[in-house]
Amino acid sequence: DAGVTQSPTHLIKTRGQQVTLRCSPKSGHDTVSWYQQALGQGPQFIFQYYEEEERQRGNFPDRFSGHQFPNYSSELNVNALLLGDSALYLCASSLGQGYYEQYFGPGTRLTVT
Amino acid sequence: AQSVTQPDIHITVSEGASLELRCNYSYGATPYLFWYVQSPGQGLQLLLKYFSGDTLVQGIKGFEAEFKRSQSSFNLRKPSVHWSDAAEYFCAVGGRGSNYKLTFGKGTLLTVNP
Repeated sequence: DAGVTQSPTHLIKTRGQQVTLRCSPKSGHDTVSWYQQALGQGPQFIFQYYEEEERQRGNFPDRFSGHQFPNYSSELNVNALLLGDSALYLCASSLGQGYYEQYFGPGTRLTVT
Repeated sequence: AQSVTQPDIHITVSEGASLELRCNYSYGATPYLFWYVQSPGQGLQLLLKYFSGDTLVQGIKGFEAEFKRSQSSFNLRKPSVHWSDAAEYFCAVGGRGSNYKLTFGKGTLLTVNP
């Protein structure tokens, strides 16, 4: 049973660039949530996708956008990167909208220089 | 708004000793409560969850947690810690209804001395 997978593992970008992170949910799951975890902090909710729509969003600017595909996989896009966007980006999958037992992937470590 | 406080940033215990990690939450109704563990460079693994019913919940790896509504707490316990338990532990709260996000505390780093 494949768990949540994320790619790439690590990424280094320059300020002002754009980045796309990818997530494949756990087998049987249809909902994907994205979190940002800054160094020494707990994860912060970015948004959740269900049925290919953004269902809820945390306190993140419009530079953060996402997409969910018909196979339930998801992308997180960040435009105009800032140094403060450096963090571990975690994808979590769950079954059904509003079902809170979320399973996390290993994350993508983004470094902005 | 929902929030979580983990008062202890860093705890050190000896192997074989008991452990209690504290978690206090703020939420207007009965929340969903979770404990996750994160090893260095890894994602988060779910240890246990509370949705309703029995306020003492058992999880994986010998962990348990108790929901105390009167104290808005959900403390994590383990009777005998193993060296492999060294990691960072996060408490999280989830809302009900149309609130889908998990709100995490800042975490407690657990060090285990041999």
